[in-house]
Amino acid sequence: AQSVTQPDIHITVSEGASLELRCNYSYGATPYLFWYVQSPGQGLQLLLKYFSGDTLVQGIKGFEAEFKRSQSSFNLRKPSVHWSDAAEYFCAVGAVSYSGGSNYKLTFGKGTLLTVNP
Amino acid sequence: GAGVSQTPSNKVTEKGKYVELRCDPISGHTALYWYRQSLGQGPEFLIYFQGTGAADDSGLPNDRFFAVRPEGSVSTLKIQRTERGDSAVYLCASSLPAGDWDTGELFFGEGSRLTVL
Repeated sequence: AQSVTQPDIHITVSEGASLELRCNYSYGATPYLFWYVQSPGQGLQLLLKYFSGDTLVQGIKGFEAEFKRSQSSFNLRKPSVHWSDAAEYFCAVGAVSYSGGSNYKLTFGKGTLLTVNP
Repeated sequence: GAGVSQTPSNKVTEKGKYVELRCDPISGHTALYWYRQSLGQGPEFLIYFQGTGAADDSGLPNDRFFAVRPEGSVSTLKIQRTERGDSAVYLCASSLPAGDWDTGELFFGEGSRLTVL
């Protein structure tokens, strides 16, 4: 069964500093990988996703993520954090079935809460 | 509406009561999903509808939980004989027909927070 580990429960950074949120996954093949952000009072919003191709993917709000197969990782990065980035971030794995049987189920990590200090 | 709408946003009930949570998906989205997010956890899959039928209900924790989508649009998650452990945020999402992650992005609602006293 697929699983996602986000080792950091809570991270605090200063505004303008760089950010890296860690994500490790377990899956039998190359999965679809996602990063979502959840702000208070808002639904989960997709930041970016990866399946194949260039291992560095760009997303919205200046975020990027790098897929490293050898490390089973898909870490999220941002060069300069803004106060509005304070939120909870979730990494997720999307099941892949070439018969189309299960290409709808997401497995989420427990999330990393980001606090941004002024 | 423009996004996925969930009502109520907050529901407080007593142990043993029955509750219904409603989800109104994005117009034109044929796939609908329910997830549950407990405190300190990520969302966990409950059930997936393609059209009116539940294509996968393997995530429903027990037979007290049931969901319907009679006309292929609005869905209702029903919880009977609620227990304190049912307290969580129940998230609904919708997408274009599932099966292709390139086009089947999930759009989530803000959730319904259920508190069972």
